[in-house]
Amino acid sequence: AQSVTQLDSHVSVSEGTPVLLRCNYSSSYSPSLFWYVQHPNKGLQLLLKYTSAATLVKGINGFEAEFKKSETSFHLTKPSAHMSDAAEYFCVVMSGSARQLTFGSGTQLTVLP
Amino acid sequence: DAMVIQNPRYQVTQFGKPVTLSCSQTLNHNVMYWYQQKSSQAPKLLFHYYDKDFNNEADTPDNFQSRRPNTSFCFLDIRSPGLGDAAMYLCATRGTSGQNEQFFGPGTRLTVL
Repeated sequence: AQSVTQLDSHVSVSEGTPVLLRCNYSSSYSPSLFWYVQHPNKGLQLLLKYTSAATLVKGINGFEAEFKKSETSFHLTKPSAHMSDAAEYFCVVMSGSARQLTFGSGTQLTVLP
Repeated sequence: DAMVIQNPRYQVTQFGKPVTLSCSQTLNHNVMYWYQQKSSQAPKLLFHYYDKDFNNEADTPDNFQSRRPNTSFCFLDIRSPGLGDAAMYLCATRGTSGQNEQFFGPGTRLTVL
């Protein structure tokens, strides 16, 4: 069985300051991990993915995430927040032969001017 | 650009009146998914097609049906919408030749009056 825990339902940062969105996972298999972003009334856009290559993954819009197997974590970071980063972020694990996705509950990121 | 398209973006129906949501893709992906996303929640998988093989999630209500007439198109039919079916419906696709992430459409927001 697999599960994803996003440790913060809401994160608020000031524009220009770093962003940290935390995610822990549980998986019986070697997982593939993803971060998706969803702006209001829009679909999900893939930010980045980890598929057992480099543990530090760079994504779009300056985001990156580090896979830490010992901590079962896949936290999302960005050095400097922009107003356009305000959105809902989902950490997702995919594993098993069926390649089903298991979503975290989401983190709402607010960026203050 | 290759993409996942959903029509309409906003759909209003009446309680009990059948409604069909449409998804099309230009990615030529084998797998197509339908998710239901209620307000402030993570997407919930309803069912998916692997080519023509239909896979229903165990807890998907019988009220929800799907059709995939060809590779490019997939439809979600709600036979008798209830107030609780008001949600965002997301279509996603996945290829099976190496890549494993799902590509999401922009979603259809369903309102039930």
